[in-house]
Amino acid sequence: GESVGLHLPTLSVQEGDNSIINCAYSNSASDYFIWYKQESGKGPQFIIDIRSNMDKRQGQRVTVLLNKTVKHLSLQIAATQPGDSAVYFCAENGGSNYKLTFGKGTLLTVNP
Amino acid sequence: ETGVTQSPTHLIKTRGQQVTLRCSSQSGHNTVSWYQQALGQGPQFIFQYYREEENGRGNFPPRFSGLQFPNYSSELNVNALELDDSALYLCASSPGGSGSTDTQYFGPGTRLTVL
Repeated sequence: GESVGLHLPTLSVQEGDNSIINCAYSNSASDYFIWYKQESGKGPQFIIDIRSNMDKRQGQRVTVLLNKTVKHLSLQIAATQPGDSAVYFCAENGGSNYKLTFGKGTLLTVNP
Repeated sequence: ETGVTQSPTHLIKTRGQQVTLRCSSQSGHNTVSWYQQALGQGPQFIFQYYREEENGRGNFPPRFSGLQFPNYSSELNVNALELDDSALYLCASSPGGSGSTDTQYFGPGTRLTVL
C-alpha cells in the first residue's frame, strides 16, 4: 500500500544551524513530492515541490533532495531561524493526479 | 497568504447532527480538494472537485459529500456526525486540470468539534 513516513518525529536545532528533515515513501508510482510547513492553528503552507524527473531543487534557504532508488526525500533548511519552528510534512501523489498522501510530520524546534 | 479562505473558523456540533463547511478558492483555480486532519496527524484526503464534478475520493464514507460552484467556492457536508469526525478540515485549491498533480494551496482550516 502507499505510505509516507518520517524518520524523526522531532528535531531540535540551534538558530543559524542547518536543518535536515527526512521522509521515506513506499509507493514507487509517486512522481510528485511536496513539502509543507504547518504552524500551530494554521493550514499547511507550501514550501517546495519536486517531480520525479529531478533529484534536487532549490528555493530560498531550502533544498529538496529526491532519491528514487531508495524512495527517500529530504528537506534542507539553511541558517534555520526561530520562525522556521513548525511541523513539516512531506506528501506524495502516489502516481495520481488528484490526491496527496501525507506523513505524520516532523516537529522542528529552533532554539535561540 | 494563499488566497484560500474557509469558514467558519471553529464549529461545535453534537453527534448525529449535520454540518456544512465552506471554502473559497484562489481565483482561477478550478480544482478544490478537502482533507481531514486529526490532532497530531497529517491531513487525510477526502475528495477533490474539478469544475463542479468529483474528480477523486479517498477512504471516507458517503456521509461526507461536497459541492463546488462556478464562483470558486465549495462546500464540504458531513451528515450524521460521529465523535471521530472531530478534526481540522482543510480545503486546498490548485490551478486544476488533468494529467498531473498541481501544487495544492491550503486554507487555514475549520476546527470541528463533535460532542
